[in-house]
Amino acid sequence: GIQVEQSPPDLILQEGANSTLRCNFSDSVNNLQWFHQNPWGQLINLFYIPSGTKQNGRLSATTVATERYSLLYISSSQTTDSGVYFCAVGDSGAGSYQLTFGKGTKLSVIP
Amino acid sequence: DAMVIQNPRYQVTQFGKPVTLSCSQTLNHNVMYWYQQKSSQAPKLLFHYYDKDFNNEADTPDNFQSRRPNTSFCFLDIRSPGLGDAAMYLCATSARGGTDTQYFGPGTRLTVL
Repeated sequence: GIQVEQSPPDLILQEGANSTLRCNFSDSVNNLQWFHQNPWGQLINLFYIPSGTKQNGRLSATTVATERYSLLYISSSQTTDSGVYFCAVGDSGAGSYQLTFGKGTKLSVIP
Repeated sequence: DAMVIQNPRYQVTQFGKPVTLSCSQTLNHNVMYWYQQKSSQAPKLLFHYYDKDFNNEADTPDNFQSRRPNTSFCFLDIRSPGLGDAAMYLCATSARGGTDTQYFGPGTRLTVL
C-alpha cells in the first residue's frame, strides 16, 4: 500500500515563529488532506489539497503531486496551534476509500 | 452547526461486555467511515459504508461490527471488548467517495476495564 512519511516528528516553536511541515508519499494520490488533531482528540480539516496551493489565514499548503510531497506552512504561530498535524492520502491506483495517515507531527507552541 | 456527531464522547466498559458507539451526520453524505486511533498512533480505517453497502478492511477483527440503519446514523458494535480495544474511535463522512473531503466527528474515547 501507499506509504506516507511526515517530518519532523516533533517541533517546538516560540509563539510568533513560522514553521513548515512536510508530507512525502510513495505513489499517486487522488486525495490529500491536512488535519489538526486538538488536545481533545478531534481531527479538524485544514486543507483538501491533492494538488496546487491553498491559503487560509495564517495557514497555507502546497502539494506537488508529480514529486509526491506536500507542505503545510504555519505563520505567526499561536499557542492554540499546538497539537498533532496529520497528512492523509488516498491511493488513486487502488480505487480505495481509505485515507492512509502519516504518523503526524507533534507541534508545541510555547509562549 | 455540528456536522458529524458522536455519542457518547467517553465510554467505559468492562472486559467482554458488548458496547455500541454511535455516529450521526447532518451532511447527507453517502459515505460513512469508522476509524480506530490508539494512543500516539495514526487513525486506522476499520470499515466504511457507501450508502448501504458495507466494506470491511481486511485486517479489521471480527469482534468489530457496524450497522447503518439510514443515511444519517451509523453504529459501531464491539462484541467482546478486550484491553487492546481501548482507543479513540472516530467517525467520518464524505459526500461520494475516496476523492472527497472526509469530515470527522469529535470521537469517542473507549476505556476497557
